[in-house]
Amino acid sequence: GPKVLQIPSHQIIDMGQMVTLNCDPVSNHLYFYWYKQILGQQMEFLVNFYNGKVMEKSKLFKDQFSVERPDGSYFTLKIQPTALEDSAVYFCASSSGLNSQNTLYFGAGTRLSVL
Amino acid sequence: QQKVQQSPESLIVPEGGMASLNCTSSDRNVDYFWWYRQHSGKSPKMLMSIFSNGEKEEGRFTVHLNKASLHTSLHIRDSQPSDSALYLCAANNSGGSNAKLTFGKGTKLSVKS
Repeated sequence: GPKVLQIPSHQIIDMGQMVTLNCDPVSNHLYFYWYKQILGQQMEFLVNFYNGKVMEKSKLFKDQFSVERPDGSYFTLKIQPTALEDSAVYFCASSSGLNSQNTLYFGAGTRLSVL
Repeated sequence: QQKVQQSPESLIVPEGGMASLNCTSSDRNVDYFWWYRQHSGKSPKMLMSIFSNGEKEEGRFTVHLNKASLHTSLHIRDSQPSDSALYLCAANNSGGSNAKLTFGKGTKLSVKS
């Protein structure tokens, strides 16, 4: 079936540095999402993105976070600068539409460790 | 405060048995539920969705929804070892829009042969 690829699967970074998480969504999808999962907790919505713009973001989407998908390449989540509390697994997802008929496809996640 | 509660946290059933997983939302505005399955180290994959009272069956999987109590349950009959995974319940209150889902922590199902 359709696959969302996330690169890398694990990233270790020093606090204060910048990190970019990459997501290769399903090829014909138009809507993109990031979710954050702290160890032992539920996945939580961060942001959704369509037509080059953020549609909606949660309070977890701090000012240090940004998303983009330049020229149809990777959909990226950038954190600059990183903080210890950013350590989590970040899941990317994509869909062809927003209604319930359009399945959300998730990647396997990128585990970010901020030291 | 967590708005989607799942129970039990973990469940062990014998091969061929019935697994029953529960999910309740504390948000009165929720009107749509999804069930996802996530095998270890893999991506969550959507199993079923439901928004009408009653039940919906697809193969060995049956989902129930009681909108008055905002409770949904997933039942897996004739459980197989390959069903061993983390089952996630998700909900939203946007008339079925999947733009922003609220997830529970999940139920870890182990099917023992």
